Amino acid sequence: SQTIHQWPATLVQPVGSPLSLECTVEGTSNPNLYWYRQAAGRGLQLLFYSVGIGQISSEVPQNLSASRPQDRQFILSSKKLLLSDSGFYLCAWSVLLRNTEAFFGQGTRLTVV
Amino acid sequence: SQKIEQNSEALNIQEGKTATLTCNYTNYSPAYLQWYRQDPGRGPVFLLLIRENEKEKRKERLKVTFDTTLKQSLFHITASQPADSATYLCALDIRTGRRALTFGSGTRLQVQP
Repeated sequence: SQTIHQWPATLVQPVGSPLSLECTVEGTSNPNLYWYRQAAGRGLQLLFYSVGIGQISSEVPQNLSASRPQDRQFILSSKKLLLSDSGFYLCAWSVLLRNTEAFFGQGTRLTVV
Repeated sequence: SQKIEQNSEALNIQEGKTATLTCNYTNYSPAYLQWYRQDPGRGPVFLLLIRENEKEKRKERLKVTFDTTLKQSLFHITASQPADSATYLCALDIRTGRRALTFGSGTRLQVQP
């Protein structure tokens, strides 16, 4: 069966520090991969999605970047965090070319202080 | 502008009653609509998908309707239980070629024993 791993679960980082969140998927090949951010009490905002290795689409201008170095690995990064980067970050995958349901990781609660 | 609206931020009902949650959208023509459940501090979990040519879909105590003329989906939980308390999110495929879902902000359901 397919599983998705996202870590860490919580993170407290100072302003101006770098960020690296990692997500890996097991049990499937060529997935669509996604990074969403959720502010408190709000819906999910799509940050990045990827349909293949090295293929990244960005949804909104921001202080973050994403990379997909391997088929089932998706990384969210920042060189210098801002206070506004605080939030709940969720990685997800779906079956390529089918656009059906998305499967989410457990999320990372990031607090920038 | 394109919007997805869920009827209220919070909905309180008594155990055993039917909960009805609403998802309205504007300026989209989605191929399908999905509903997810999200518990506090966790990633969303897929519940149901309904396609544009389907009027209704059921799964155990859950029922979803999809009216593409009204641009609305209704999500029903019959014989509700306290364990159904969670935030429920609707999500659309907005057919722009972007292979990612667009989410509403969610409705927090509280079922009182």
